[in-house]
Amino acid sequence: NAGVTQTPKFRVLKTGQSMTLLCAQDMNHEYMYWYRQDPGMGLRLIHYSVGEGTTAKGEVPDGYNVSRLKKQNFLLGLESAAPSQTSVYFCASSPGLAGKQETQYFGPGTRLLVL
Amino acid sequence: KQEVTQIPAALSVPEGENLVLNCSFTDSAIYNLQWFRQDPGKGLTSLLLIQSSQREQTSGRLNASLDKSSGRSTLYIAASQPGDSATYLCAVNDLKFYFGSGTKLNVKP
Repeated sequence: NAGVTQTPKFRVLKTGQSMTLLCAQDMNHEYMYWYRQDPGMGLRLIHYSVGEGTTAKGEVPDGYNVSRLKKQNFLLGLESAAPSQTSVYFCASSPGLAGKQETQYFGPGTRLLVL
Repeated sequence: KQEVTQIPAALSVPEGENLVLNCSFTDSAIYNLQWFRQDPGKGLTSLLLIQSSQREQTSGRLNASLDKSSGRSTLYIAASQPGDSATYLCAVNDLKFYFGSGTKLNVKP
């Protein structure tokens, strides 16, 4: 049982390049999330999904796209990377108990540097 | 929009001290509040989850309280140890999760 895994662990991009971050969970969770963590700002929600085939915008969605074609995978795409997207990206999943019982499980993070 | 604040931003204490970390939030309509631990270069590990109807939760040397009406939560760590050194984050769930910026704790041997 690996929990939540993220690929890659670290990446350097040039401005304008594109890339996809992969998140996978083996806990059969319904909900999945992408966050970014910047110094002094805590975690901010980029996009989330409440089930296979669904996605929704979070607090800071601009410049990112997501897809949830399979229940266990949640992809985060950067179509044209910008230096402002330099950050640590965390994926999380939760069972999908609609509120009260919800607790999140986090992946180890992906460090992205955009030059 | 929910705003979550954690005070202090950093804390350094000698081993053995009891300490309190604070978390405040602006909208009391939450389902639950969760405390996480984050080690350098790592993901977040859940420590305690308090439902909106609960006043406190305990796990070992950790005790978290919740006063939903005043928008406050505290994490109490008893008899701190160097292994407790990490960043502690709180997050409130009102169908989305909102995180504070964390308290970086250093416990000196």
